[in-house]
Amino acid sequence: QVQLVQSGAEVKKPGASVKVSCKTSGYTFTDYYMNWVRQAPGQGLEWVGWINPNSGGPNYAQKFQGRVTMTRDTSISTAYMEVSRLRSDDTAVYYCARGSLYSSSIVNYWGQGTLVTVSS
Amino acid sequence: DIQMTQSPSTLSASVGDRVTITCRASQSISGWLAWYQQTPGKAPKLLIYKASSLESGVPSRFGGSGSGTEFTLTISSLQPDDFATYYCQQYNSFPLTFGGGTKVEIK
Repeated sequence: QVQLVQSGAEVKKPGASVKVSCKTSGYTFTDYYMNWVRQAPGQGLEWVGWINPNSGGPNYAQKFQGRVTMTRDTSISTAYMEVSRLRSDDTAVYYCARGSLYSSSIVNYWGQGTLVTVSS
Repeated sequence: DIQMTQSPSTLSASVGDRVTITCRASQSISGWLAWYQQTPGKAPKLLIYKASSLESGVPSRFGGSGSGTEFTLTISSLQPDDFATYYCQQYNSFPLTFGGGTKVEIK
Protein backbone atom coordinates (compact mmCIF):
# COMPACT_ATOMS: atom_id res chain seq x y z
CA GLN A 1 0.00 0.00 0.00
CA VAL A 2 1.06 3.56 -0.64
CA GLN A 3 2.76 5.18 2.36
CA LEU A 4 4.32 8.58 2.91
CA VAL A 5 6.24 8.83 6.17
CA GLN A 6 7.52 12.24 7.22
CA SER A 7 10.28 13.23 9.59
CA GLY A 8 9.49 14.32 13.13
CA ALA A 9 8.49 17.61 14.65
CA GLU A 10 10.99 20.48 14.68
CA VAL A 11 11.44 23.58 16.80
CA LYS A 12 13.48 26.34 15.20
CA LYS A 13 14.43 29.91 15.98
CA PRO A 14 13.49 32.75 13.67
CA GLY A 15 15.99 33.06 10.83
CA ALA A 16 16.95 29.39 10.92
CA SER A 17 16.22 26.73 8.30
CA VAL A 18 14.36 23.44 8.48
CA LYS A 19 14.42 20.44 6.19
CA VAL A 20 11.50 18.00 6.21
CA SER A 21 11.74 14.58 4.62
CA CYS A 22 9.03 12.37 3.14
CA LYS A 23 9.91 8.73 2.59
CA THR A 24 7.60 6.92 0.23
CA SER A 25 6.80 3.29 -0.43
CA GLY A 26 4.22 1.19 -2.21
CA TYR A 27 4.46 2.85 -5.60
CA THR A 28 6.98 3.97 -8.20
CA PHE A 29 8.34 7.21 -6.77
CA THR A 30 9.14 8.78 -10.13
CA ASP A 31 5.61 8.27 -11.51
CA TYR A 32 3.86 10.92 -9.38
CA TYR A 33 4.55 14.54 -8.56
CA MET A 34 4.99 15.40 -4.89
CA ASN A 35 3.19 18.42 -3.53
CA TRP A 36 3.88 20.15 -0.22
CA VAL A 37 0.96 21.72 1.62
CA ARG A 38 1.04 23.50 4.96
CA GLN A 39 -1.55 24.26 7.61
CA ALA A 40 -1.01 26.84 10.32
CA PRO A 41 -2.60 26.03 13.71
CA GLY A 42 -6.38 26.29 13.43
CA GLN A 43 -6.14 27.56 9.86
CA GLY A 44 -6.78 26.29 6.35
CA LEU A 45 -4.60 24.61 3.76
CA GLU A 46 -1.90 26.40 1.77
CA TRP A 47 -0.04 24.97 -1.23
CA VAL A 48 3.71 25.52 -1.00
CA GLY A 49 4.76 23.89 -4.26
CA TRP A 50 5.55 20.61 -5.96
CA ILE A 51 8.46 18.70 -7.38
CA ASN A 52 8.61 16.51 -10.45
CA PRO A 53 10.40 13.48 -9.02
CA ASN A 54 11.55 12.40 -12.47
CA SER A 55 13.33 15.59 -13.52
CA GLY A 56 13.73 17.13 -10.07
CA GLY A 57 12.15 20.29 -11.42
CA PRO A 58 10.19 22.25 -8.83
CA ASN A 59 7.25 24.62 -9.05
CA TYR A 60 6.93 26.92 -6.05
CA ALA A 61 4.11 29.23 -5.10
CA GLN A 62 5.33 32.77 -5.70
CA LYS A 63 4.90 33.50 -1.99
CA PHE A 64 7.65 31.00 -1.13
CA GLN A 65 10.05 31.69 -4.01
CA GLY A 66 13.56 32.21 -2.69
CA ARG A 67 12.85 30.64 0.70
CA VAL A 68 11.77 27.11 -0.20
CA THR A 69 13.79 24.39 -1.88
CA MET A 70 12.29 21.05 -2.88
CA THR A 71 14.55 18.16 -3.77
CA ARG A 72 14.36 14.42 -4.03
CA ASP A 73 16.54 11.33 -3.82
CA THR A 74 15.16 8.74 -6.21
CA SER A 75 17.52 6.04 -4.88
CA ILE A 76 15.62 6.03 -1.57
CA SER A 77 12.22 7.25 -2.86
CA THR A 78 12.32 10.30 -0.63
CA ALA A 79 11.28 13.90 -1.16
CA TYR A 80 12.55 16.85 0.84
CA MET A 81 11.42 20.39 1.49
CA GLU A 82 13.69 22.98 3.04
CA VAL A 83 12.42 26.32 4.27
CA SER A 84 14.99 28.99 5.07
CA ARG A 85 14.83 32.33 6.92
CA LEU A 86 12.03 30.99 9.09
CA ARG A 87 9.54 33.41 10.62
CA SER A 88 6.98 32.90 13.34
CA ASP A 89 4.20 32.75 10.75
CA ASP A 90 5.87 29.70 9.20
CA THR A 91 4.71 27.73 12.25
CA ALA A 92 2.52 25.04 10.71
CA VAL A 93 2.04 21.38 9.98
CA TYR A 94 3.76 20.64 6.69
CA TYR A 95 2.38 17.75 4.62
CA CYS A 96 3.91 15.96 1.70
CA ALA A 97 1.08 15.05 -0.62
CA ARG A 98 1.32 12.80 -3.66
CA GLY A 99 -0.35 13.88 -6.86
CA SER A 100 -3.01 11.58 -8.22
CA LEU A 101 -3.56 9.72 -11.48
CA TYR A 102 -6.18 12.31 -12.47
CA SER A 103 -3.93 15.30 -11.97
CA SER A 104 -0.61 16.02 -10.31
CA SER A 105 -2.34 18.98 -8.68
CA ILE A 106 -4.81 16.99 -6.61
CA VAL A 107 -3.77 14.71 -3.83
CA ASN A 108 -4.99 11.30 -2.85
CA TYR A 109 -2.15 10.29 -0.56
CA TRP A 110 -0.78 12.37 2.28
CA GLY A 111 2.02 12.08 4.78
CA GLN A 112 1.16 12.24 8.45
CA GLY A 113 2.38 15.84 8.68
CA THR A 114 5.39 17.45 10.33
CA LEU A 115 4.84 20.21 12.87
CA VAL A 116 7.40 22.98 12.48
CA THR A 117 7.36 25.48 15.33
CA VAL A 118 9.24 28.74 14.92
CA SER A 119 9.82 30.46 18.23
CA SER A 120 12.52 32.47 19.90
CA ASP B 1 -3.97 34.15 -7.66
CA ILE B 2 -7.45 32.63 -7.80
CA GLN B 3 -9.35 33.21 -4.57
CA MET B 4 -11.64 30.43 -3.37
CA THR B 5 -14.48 31.43 -1.04
CA GLN B 6 -16.50 28.82 0.85
CA SER B 7 -19.80 29.29 2.56
CA PRO B 8 -20.88 28.84 5.20
CA SER B 9 -17.76 28.75 7.35
CA THR B 10 -19.62 26.69 9.94
CA LEU B 11 -22.71 24.57 9.55
CA SER B 12 -24.69 22.83 12.29
CA ALA B 13 -26.61 19.76 11.22
CA SER B 14 -28.04 16.49 12.47
CA VAL B 15 -27.46 12.92 11.40
CA GLY B 16 -29.63 12.25 8.36
CA ASP B 17 -29.71 15.87 7.20
CA ARG B 18 -28.95 16.90 3.63
CA VAL B 19 -26.03 19.32 3.66
CA THR B 20 -24.81 21.66 0.94
CA ILE B 21 -21.53 23.60 0.94
CA THR B 22 -20.75 26.25 -1.65
CA CYS B 23 -17.39 27.20 -3.12
CA ARG B 24 -16.92 30.24 -5.37
CA ALA B 25 -13.86 31.02 -7.46
CA SER B 26 -12.71 34.58 -8.18
CA GLN B 27 -12.46 33.67 -11.88
CA SER B 28 -13.51 30.76 -14.02
CA ILE B 29 -11.76 27.49 -13.27
CA SER B 30 -13.85 25.41 -15.67
CA GLY B 31 -14.36 22.13 -13.78
CA TRP B 32 -10.94 21.93 -12.18
CA LEU B 33 -12.13 21.67 -8.62
CA ALA B 34 -11.54 19.13 -5.86
CA TRP B 35 -13.14 18.63 -2.45
CA TYR B 36 -11.39 17.28 0.64
CA GLN B 37 -12.56 16.23 4.09
CA GLN B 38 -10.39 16.74 7.15
CA THR B 39 -10.94 15.55 10.71
CA PRO B 40 -8.95 16.98 13.64
CA GLY B 41 -5.34 15.87 13.77
CA LYS B 42 -5.53 14.04 10.44
CA ALA B 43 -4.46 14.78 6.89
CA PRO B 44 -7.17 15.73 4.42
CA LYS B 45 -8.90 13.05 2.38
CA LEU B 46 -9.85 13.49 -1.28
CA LEU B 47 -13.60 13.16 -1.88
CA ILE B 48 -14.33 14.66 -5.29
CA TYR B 49 -12.21 15.70 -8.28
CA LYS B 50 -13.07 17.46 -11.54
CA ALA B 51 -16.02 19.03 -9.75
CA SER B 52 -18.23 15.94 -9.75
CA SER B 53 -16.14 12.77 -10.00
CA LEU B 54 -16.24 10.63 -6.88
CA GLU B 55 -12.89 9.35 -5.63
CA SER B 56 -12.70 5.57 -5.34
CA GLY B 57 -13.94 4.32 -1.99
CA VAL B 58 -15.85 7.49 -1.10
CA PRO B 59 -19.49 6.85 -0.16
CA SER B 60 -22.07 7.76 -2.77
CA ARG B 61 -23.84 10.12 -0.36
CA PHE B 62 -21.15 12.65 -1.33
CA GLY B 63 -21.77 14.52 -4.55
CA GLY B 64 -20.25 17.50 -6.31
CA SER B 65 -21.55 19.82 -8.98
CA GLY B 66 -20.83 23.10 -10.71
CA SER B 67 -18.54 24.68 -13.26
CA GLY B 68 -16.98 28.03 -13.99
CA THR B 69 -17.03 29.94 -10.72
CA GLU B 70 -19.67 28.26 -8.58
CA PHE B 71 -19.53 24.78 -7.11
CA THR B 72 -21.33 22.76 -4.47
CA LEU B 73 -20.58 19.75 -2.33
CA THR B 74 -23.68 17.90 -1.16
CA ILE B 75 -23.93 15.21 1.48
CA SER B 76 -27.29 13.55 0.90
CA SER B 77 -27.72 12.05 4.37
CA LEU B 78 -25.21 13.14 6.99
CA GLN B 79 -23.55 10.31 8.91
CA PRO B 80 -21.60 10.49 12.21
CA ASP B 81 -18.27 10.13 10.36
CA ASP B 82 -19.08 13.17 8.23
CA PHE B 83 -18.67 15.72 11.03
CA ALA B 84 -15.47 17.30 9.80
CA THR B 85 -14.07 20.30 7.94
CA TYR B 86 -14.41 20.42 4.16
CA TYR B 87 -12.13 22.28 1.76
CA CYS B 88 -12.43 23.03 -1.91
CA GLN B 89 -9.31 23.39 -4.06
CA GLN B 90 -8.87 24.78 -7.55
CA TYR B 91 -6.31 23.28 -9.88
CA ASN B 92 -6.97 25.37 -12.94
CA SER B 93 -3.85 27.47 -12.46
CA PHE B 94 -0.87 28.04 -10.18
CA PRO B 95 -0.63 28.62 -7.35
CA LEU B 96 -3.08 25.95 -6.35
CA THR B 97 -5.46 27.49 -3.85
CA PHE B 98 -7.91 26.23 -1.25
CA GLY B 99 -11.07 27.61 0.19
CA GLY B 100 -11.09 28.66 3.83
CA GLY B 101 -12.98 25.55 4.92
CA THR B 102 -16.47 24.68 6.13
CA LYS B 103 -16.78 23.03 9.50
CA VAL B 104 -19.77 20.71 9.79
CA GLU B 105 -20.77 20.45 13.43
CA ILE B 106 -23.31 18.36 15.29
CA LYS B 107 -26.52 20.28 15.93
